[in-house]
Formats: sequence, structure tokens, C-alpha cells
Amino acid sequence: TQLLEQSPQFLSIQEGENLTVYCNSSSVFSSLQWYRQEPGEGPVLLVTVVTGGEVKKLKRLTFQFGDARKDSSLHITAAQPGDTGLYLCAGQGGNEKLTFGTGTRLTIIP
Amino acid sequence: DAGVIQSPRHEVTEMGQEVTLRCKPISGHDYLFWYRQTMMRGLELLIYFNNNVPIDDSGMPEDRFSAKMPNASFSTLKIQPSEPRDSAVYFCASSYGGATGTGELFFGEGSRLTVL
Repeated sequence: TQLLEQSPQFLSIQEGENLTVYCNSSSVFSSLQWYRQEPGEGPVLLVTVVTGGEVKKLKRLTFQFGDARKDSSLHITAAQPGDTGLYLCAGQGGNEKLTFGTGTRLTIIP
Repeated sequence: DAGVIQSPRHEVTEMGQEVTLRCKPISGHDYLFWYRQTMMRGLELLIYFNNNVPIDDSGMPEDRFSAKMPNASFSTLKIQPSEPRDSAVYFCASSYGGATGTGELFFGEGSRLTVL
């Protein structure tokens, strides 16, 4: 079983601050996705990274895939209340299944 | 365009009763997934289908759980008999696999199940 550990589990910061959340595994993934989930809704895809070392930016969000394709990070610059939610990473290995991480619950305080 | 549609949104039932959750995937998608989400265990894959055929049901907890996909536009997840530990939010998701695997998953809004 491929396990994805996310850290921190909970994070609460003030609006305007920067933050980084992490997704780590001992397994190699062919691709990794980041999702955000808001209360009462299903997760929504933010980005997919496929190449080791790849960096993708989505406005104030920067995603990086580790060189060995075992880990990833999400950095948010100048966090806003709209960034509040549960952030989930999901890795795809040799088969078709996506394995989801344990999640980081982020709260941005206005 | 309509997204993934799940019903019911909320279900409260008593232990021992049969529960049926329903899902209509996005038209044209060839993969369908059933996930269960709890605070303790996060988002767990129960079973997934490709072109209506079950591919991997290794995540189904036990024989009380069953899933079917009779056609490309409908799937059910059934729990019989239900137990309090089955209380969770059940998500259905669909995707178009294409050449790169399962691709982006589109989730429904979930069915919140409470078993008393």
C-alpha cells in the first residue's frame, strides 16, 4: 500500500502570511495531484505534476514535485480567507488508482 | 454541464437496515470511483470501474458492501446490513482516463450516511 503523509495536519494562520504544506511518501509516483475540499463539497483538482523537480504556479499557489517523485509541497503566498479548506495530495503509482494523503486542514484568519 | 450527481445527500438509518447510494457520472467519462471519507481514516478508495467493469474492489471493507455499474450513466453502492461504523461521507467520482491513466477526478458532493 502506498501511503502519503501530509504535514502539518492542521494549520491556522493570519491573512497575508505565507505557508507551506508537505506531502511525503516512501513510494515513487508517476504523477501527483493536489486537491482542495471545502465543507460539504467534494475535492476539486488544483494541479497535476508529473516530472521530478517540476514546479507549477497557480496565482498565489506554487506546487513542487520532488526530484525523486516521492514528495511534493504546496506554498501559498499572502494567504487569503478564500484559501481556507482541506488540502489533499493524491499520488498515482503503476496502476490506475489514486492514493490520497491524510490531508492538511488550513484556516486563514481574517 | 452537469457534474457528478449523487443521491441522497444525507441519509440517517438504523443499524441493520439496507442503504443504497446512487451516482450518475459525467457523460463520456470511462472511470468511476467510490470513496469513503472519515476524520479518522481520510479519503479511502472502496472500488473503481472502467467502462462499467469493476477493476479493483480491494478497498471494500467486507461482504456487507457491494457496488454495481449496470451502465455508463449509473452506479450504486449498497450496504447491507448497515452498522454504526459505516457512518461516513461517501463520494463518487468520475474521470476520463485517456492515454495518461485516470486523469483528473471529478467528485460529487457526497452522501453523508449516519447509522444509529
